[in-house]
Amino acid sequence: DAKTTQPNSMESNEEEPVHLPCNHSTISGTDYIHWYRQLPSQGPEYVIHGLTSNVNNRMASLAIAEDRKSSTLILHRATLRDAAVYYCILREQGAQKLVFGQGTRLTINP
Amino acid sequence: ETGVTQTPRHLVMGMTNKKSLKCEQHLGHNAMYWYKQSAKKPLELMFVYNFKEQTENNSVPSRFSPECPNSSHLFLHLHTLQPEDSALYLCASSQYNSGGTYNEQFFGPGTRLTVL
Repeated sequence: DAKTTQPNSMESNEEEPVHLPCNHSTISGTDYIHWYRQLPSQGPEYVIHGLTSNVNNRMASLAIAEDRKSSTLILHRATLRDAAVYYCILREQGAQKLVFGQGTRLTINP
Repeated sequence: ETGVTQTPRHLVMGMTNKKSLKCEQHLGHNAMYWYKQSAKKPLELMFVYNFKEQTENNSVPSRFSPECPNSSHLFLHLHTLQPEDSALYLCASSQYNSGGTYNEQFFGPGTRLTVL
């Protein structure tokens, strides 16, 4: 499985945008970039995924570099409820498994 | 009930006990998973079931025994566990599409297991 690298932790303020980076320099052409997050005392939840183009949904935006060696999860206006561990995961097209890394622990200050 | 539910939420057991964890998904999915999340370690995939058939065992010790009686229910039977098996055990489900792709996984809240 191609590997991803994320900062261990990040901190931001409520109502400000948050940019969570992920490096995946060994990504293959058929790897999708998935983001999940795990709120305290809960299981992970799906956030967003993409292949090449930037993606938007109600939770977040995903910006993918042109060479696909990095991506950024964007929370446009962070709330206290967004404090969680965010996981960036590569999953090959058609593959079933998710391989979780350590993720980034995001702290939101009031 | 909606989504993925797990019972019990907390479990304390001795090394000689036998207990079972239960997972139920109310999403109509055809794939289910068991994960283990130990302190300071990433989530580890333990077992995968597709259409009630086990398709992956990630070198899990035999003291963990999964059972999938139907597509909505998944059990993890525990016996003769060790203290290092203390962890959060998470169940997940997803949908396999006829086009050969899997949708996102939906996770339950987990069972916090402590082995004394």
